[in-house]
Amino acid sequence: EVQLVESGGGLVKPGGSLRLSCAASGFTFSSYSMNWVRQAPGKGLEWVSSISSSSSYIYYADSVKGRFTISRDNAKNSLYLQMNSLRAEDTAVYYCASGARVWAAEYNWFDPWGQGTLVTVSS
Amino acid sequence: AIRMTQSPSSFSASTGDRVTITCRASQGISSYLAWYQQKPGKAPKLLIYAASTLQSGVPSRFSGSGSGTDFTLTISCLQSEDFATYYCQQYYSYPPLTFGGGTKVEIK
Repeated sequence: EVQLVESGGGLVKPGGSLRLSCAASGFTFSSYSMNWVRQAPGKGLEWVSSISSSSSYIYYADSVKGRFTISRDNAKNSLYLQMNSLRAEDTAVYYCASGARVWAAEYNWFDPWGQGTLVTVSS
Repeated sequence: AIRMTQSPSSFSASTGDRVTITCRASQGISSYLAWYQQKPGKAPKLLIYAASTLQSGVPSRFSGSGSGTDFTLTISCLQSEDFATYYCQQYYSYPPLTFGGGTKVEIK
């Protein structure tokens, strides 16, 4: 069964740091780009960051650039998001989601998704 | 950044209805569009990619169409389990990857 399981969320004070993890199973993790997408309470979906299968290409939303770092460990089938200088507006459920691969090309539609982990930034 | 605009933002419908949700891109995105369904407290689920390709396991009452800037998601015969929020997403040009604001389908 293809599965993504996030962990590492919690309550953190403004200016603090948190590291999210996403454990993948049931598919060849090293062949797929991976993404973080977040959803603030009661709001829509917001893409946060993407990393290609070999980590050669990394992208961030402007809202997190310079504060968040995405990384992956293909040997451990794991994706990470290091979040520094957290702000109240970073409060959201954070989802990890796999990109797609069609023949040799990588595409950034998202499937599957993890269950999400809640990050709350508050004093 | 490519802006994705969905309409309507919400509406009420009855089981058995045919419903259509529209997504418009601020510039042409060819067919690089996906649709997702999200139920309260759950992660989004991929329904359609490449504008009209049904994801494996998704019921055939869901269909997608369009290319360029205008896209639609159609549910041919609304079922009780289809009451949810639907999002479109472009993957033509990034960063950033962008979603529409969502369309909530409620029970009439």
